[in-house]
Amino acid sequence: DVKVTQSSRYLVKRTGEKVFLECVQDMDHENMFWYRQDPGLGLRLIYFSYDVKMKEKGDIPEGYSVSREKKERFSLILESASTNQTSMYLCASTGNSGLGTEAFFGQGTRLTVV
Amino acid sequence: AQKITQTQPGMFVQEKEAVTLDCTYDTSDPSYGLFWYKQPSSGEMIFLIYQGSYDQQNATEGRYSLNFQKARKSANLVISASQLGDSAMYFCAMRDNQGGKLIFGQGTELSVKP
Repeated sequence: DVKVTQSSRYLVKRTGEKVFLECVQDMDHENMFWYRQDPGLGLRLIYFSYDVKMKEKGDIPEGYSVSREKKERFSLILESASTNQTSMYLCASTGNSGLGTEAFFGQGTRLTVV
Repeated sequence: AQKITQTQPGMFVQEKEAVTLDCTYDTSDPSYGLFWYKQPSSGEMIFLIYQGSYDQQNATEGRYSLNFQKARKSANLVISASQLGDSAMYFCAMRDNQGGKLIFGQGTELSVKP
């Protein structure tokens, strides 16, 4: 059974803290993505990676960074958490078998910044 | 730039009736793929259906079909014979060859009434 696993389901952090969200996939996928999901805004792409150590900005990268040191792991970093980063964060991965390759998602991390 | 638009924040449908969820997209790449995902209240993302830009026929998967109108840049999801379990958020998504980004629309919340 294919799996994308996010390290935490729920997280509460204080303003100004450095926050790490971890995502691990076991499908040997090349591509990994981080999204945030907010009501009425859908899923917005923060960053994605198409290979180890490679990263590309998505539509809303400000305030975030990422790290991909190993193929199976893609980390999202909030350098200095702010209350407007309170959201649901979703990680996804896909292979390189063509445009129609299905994306698999983690269970999501609901982050609250207080 | 790529863009996906879902203009229906919420929809209601009577059980056993058909419903169409709208999706329009924009890309300058002639080669792209369009997806629909379902997100029940549990939060998981479930892949429903895929349409490639060069596919001659509209995609179908069981009760799901994709009404693909390339000239209009629309990829509407049609659910036939709605069931109570179809109540969920539905997201349209697109991936093209320019960088491999996978982007999503704002989502449509479908409620099926008994």
